[in-house]
Amino acid sequence: GAGVSQSPSNKVTEKGKDVELRCDPISGHTALYWYRQRLGQGLEFLIYFQGNSAPDKSGLPSDRFSAERTGESVSTLTIQRTQQEDSAVYLCASSFGNPGLAGRETQYFGPGTRLLVL
Amino acid sequence: RKEVEQDPGPFNVPEGATVAFNCTYSNSASQSFFWYRQDCRKEPKLLMSVYSSGNEDGRFTAQLNRASQYISLLIRDSKLSDSATYLCVVSVLYNTDKLIFGTGTRLQVFP
Repeated sequence: GAGVSQSPSNKVTEKGKDVELRCDPISGHTALYWYRQRLGQGLEFLIYFQGNSAPDKSGLPSDRFSAERTGESVSTLTIQRTQQEDSAVYLCASSFGNPGLAGRETQYFGPGTRLLVL
Repeated sequence: RKEVEQDPGPFNVPEGATVAFNCTYSNSASQSFFWYRQDCRKEPKLLMSVYSSGNEDGRFTAQLNRASQYISLLIRDSKLSDSATYLCVVSVLYNTDKLIFGTGTRLQVFP
């Protein structure tokens, strides 16, 4: 597949459980982003990975949220002790990660994981 | 003040109408600007980049005003298929290319 893929597409969990969301970026994309979108709301930046640089975690809402990325490939977003307010669509995007080069910074989004915390 | 602000709408327009959206950004150091489109329950997709000189892609025209820190999107001859949420996106180039998304403007085109 040529696009960004995410799994699972839907996840229903009970409050207090941990969940792990997966993102497979487009091959060759060095930059990877996680966003959260609550129902009827805009995209909320969570975390950004670029190559081997330290990730930008400035958007993570609490220490229950963490993310890892293996090299320049798969990333996982982990939410510990889920709360009902964590219910949202979690979107992953990737890009070539070349700021200033026209077209190279375009972000391509995956279909998202719809998380529902009961 | 939000980094990127948009009128949430909805803008309800008839087919064939011309509609314009504006978006303001707060960081004067912002370098790159985009419009993304998001259909209901779908992921955002790039509609067009916004260049300093303005740019046009078919029925869509994007403009950038750095002095006033706003960008605009003009849609001519609206189609039913244009119904979507349009996201204003700004790149804050410090040492990353992190994009800041506006909350979007919803457009509904009716017959």
